[in-house]
Amino acid sequence: AQSVTQLDSHVSVSEGTPVLLRCNYSSSYSPSLFWYVQHPNKGLQLLLKYTSAATLVKGINGFEAEFKKSETSFHLTKPSAHMSDAAEYFCVVSDGYSSASKIIFGSGTRLSIRP
Amino acid sequence: DAGVIQSPRHEVTEMGQEVTLRCKPISGHDYLFWYRQTMMRGLELLIYFNNNVPIDDSGMPEDRFSAKMPNASFSTLKIQPSEPRDSAVYFCASSSRPGQAGNEQFFGPGTRLTVL
Repeated sequence: AQSVTQLDSHVSVSEGTPVLLRCNYSSSYSPSLFWYVQHPNKGLQLLLKYTSAATLVKGINGFEAEFKKSETSFHLTKPSAHMSDAAEYFCVVSDGYSSASKIIFGSGTRLSIRP
Repeated sequence: DAGVIQSPRHEVTEMGQEVTLRCKPISGHDYLFWYRQTMMRGLELLIYFNNNVPIDDSGMPEDRFSAKMPNASFSTLKIQPSEPRDSAVYFCASSSRPGQAGNEQFFGPGTRLTVL
């Protein structure tokens, strides 16, 4: 069975400091992993995805994530936070098979940026 | 492409009324998803279609909810009768072979439903 756990429901950082949003997953197969961002009153937008190619994945807006199989983690990072990064972030796991029902969303992490 | 289109963006209705939410997926996508998002329950998958056929509706809360996809470019989610606890943001998403080879879902802007 698949699962995904976002370890922090809320993260607050100062502008210009690094961002770390943590995500752990469980999957019986080689997973595909995604990070989505949702700005206030908007839909979800894909930040980046891992699909068994390079373990370090670069996404939009300076975000990146590293797939660590030994730690079953896919943490999202950014070297320097910007005010516009304030949003909700969702980690998503899929087992890579055809059943769309096996796409699991995490509970989300709300990122706040302090001036 | 204009992306996934949802209408209306906001809906305010009174308890007991019928509500119909609409979605136009991205052209060429053969999967369509309906989600509901609330503060209490987060993002929930309600139902999804493949090639206009409902595949899994196990997330539909109860018989008051129904969804249809009469053709590849249009889907509706209907609530009849609506109740205050149905108040939420409803998202539609579309995809081509989701989950495989990293094919992501594309989300619409959502419909914010308020049932008084």
